[in-house]
Amino acid sequence: GQQVQQSPASLVLQEGENAELQCNFSTSLNSMQWFYQRPGGSLVSLFYNPSGTKQSGRLTSTTVIKERRSSLHISSSQTTDSGTYLCAMELGTGYQNFYFGKGTSLTVIP
Amino acid sequence: GGIITQTPKFLIGQEGQKLTLKCQQNFNHDTMYWYRQDSGKGLRLIYYSITENDLQKGDLSEGYDASREKKSSFSLTVTSAQKNEMAVFLCASSATGSGNTLYFGEGSRLIVV
Repeated sequence: GQQVQQSPASLVLQEGENAELQCNFSTSLNSMQWFYQRPGGSLVSLFYNPSGTKQSGRLTSTTVIKERRSSLHISSSQTTDSGTYLCAMELGTGYQNFYFGKGTSLTVIP
Repeated sequence: GGIITQTPKFLIGQEGQKLTLKCQQNFNHDTMYWYRQDSGKGLRLIYYSITENDLQKGDLSEGYDASREKKSSFSLTVTSAQKNEMAVFLCASSATGSGNTLYFGEGSRLIVV
């Protein structure tokens, strides 16, 4: 089946440090999304990023479709960034069908 | 903006029992999804529906039934609850077609005793 590999599985940062989260896909894909899940909470879409680079505040997503990878960069991390970051790939088989990675658990300590 | 409401937030049942989770969305989205989230395993698709009365099986559909009687609602039934399927169930919706983001509900936690 389709595989989505996320790394690292967990990450602990001092407040103010930067983070780079990676997502690799085992198959060709149509597009991908990054989600944030707060502890015990729902998922919120951060980026819908079919290709190239997108930025929103301190977050930057870069997707290289032909290399089947995407990254999420968090600059100047804050304690409120703590939570789980998940990437999901869309195969584009006619209707959205997203396959998710296991996520990166981020903890930012003051 | 819209919202996705899942009920109940916690569903407690006995082993072998049939249990139903409900999801409502007011985005007027055509497509709705049920995902299961196990600790350390990410999200896995159980069922999705592209329109009223449509049902499409995901990778994890065995042991589950779904129903989409209205555009705004999508329910999921665990046909015979087992202790090894205690997890968080997440409902989501999106507009039809590629390029649309997923919106998620808060999740429902299944507890089997």
